[in-house]
Amino acid sequence: RKEVEQDPGPFNVPEGATVAFNCTYSNSASQSFFWYRQDCRKEPKLLMSVYSSGNEDGRFTAQLNRASQYISLLIRDSKLSDSATYLCVVNRPSGGYQKVTFGTGTKLQVIP
Amino acid sequence: DTEVTQTPKHLVMGMTNKKSLKCEQHMGHRAMYWYKQKAKKPPELMFVYSYEKLSINESVPSRFSPECPNSSLLNLHLHALQPEDSALYLCASSQVLREWSNQPQHFGDGTRLSIL
Repeated sequence: RKEVEQDPGPFNVPEGATVAFNCTYSNSASQSFFWYRQDCRKEPKLLMSVYSSGNEDGRFTAQLNRASQYISLLIRDSKLSDSATYLCVVNRPSGGYQKVTFGTGTKLQVIP
Repeated sequence: DTEVTQTPKHLVMGMTNKKSLKCEQHMGHRAMYWYKQKAKKPPELMFVYSYEKLSINESVPSRFSPECPNSSLLNLHLHALQPEDSALYLCASSQVLREWSNQPQHFGDGTRLSIL
């Protein structure tokens, strides 16, 4: 089993729809969590950190469920420009350092 | 605009060439990373420097040689690469690499490398 897993999609949604992605992690020592978006042939860009109490940034809401070991990303009122691959990143302490693990990414296509 | 700058943006080289990838950040970050990313895959960690010292080497072949001349610069020296090394090479930085740090990484826009 992979340490961090995501549904690869693609998720094809119409403009204006609400879409949610989940990301599960297997190591209970995981400590910090992030969502990145990556456009085709571009670098990953930090979308938002995920806090224990949940957090919102405009149309984007991130949540953490430690008991079930998953994080989620909710996008409301989808725009064409939201089309991208969404990567979850999970950090955990390991040998004095932070081990950074990427999920495989979920592809979102917003359709006119 | 990315705060981590990588050069060159594109590089085509033969298997016998020697070239270097460069990365620079001025955010005062003390941890810097090299990743390799193939199409439709997540980034794979190659090396991590913490306070200019190599802290993590993910069993990368010796034809890739990292160097951290100072806290702002990170290089990746390439020699005798193979066609399967063609990929997007990403540099990233974060504040520190300490075990309980919860800071995200910031990525440069990458060097697209093609080996002929």
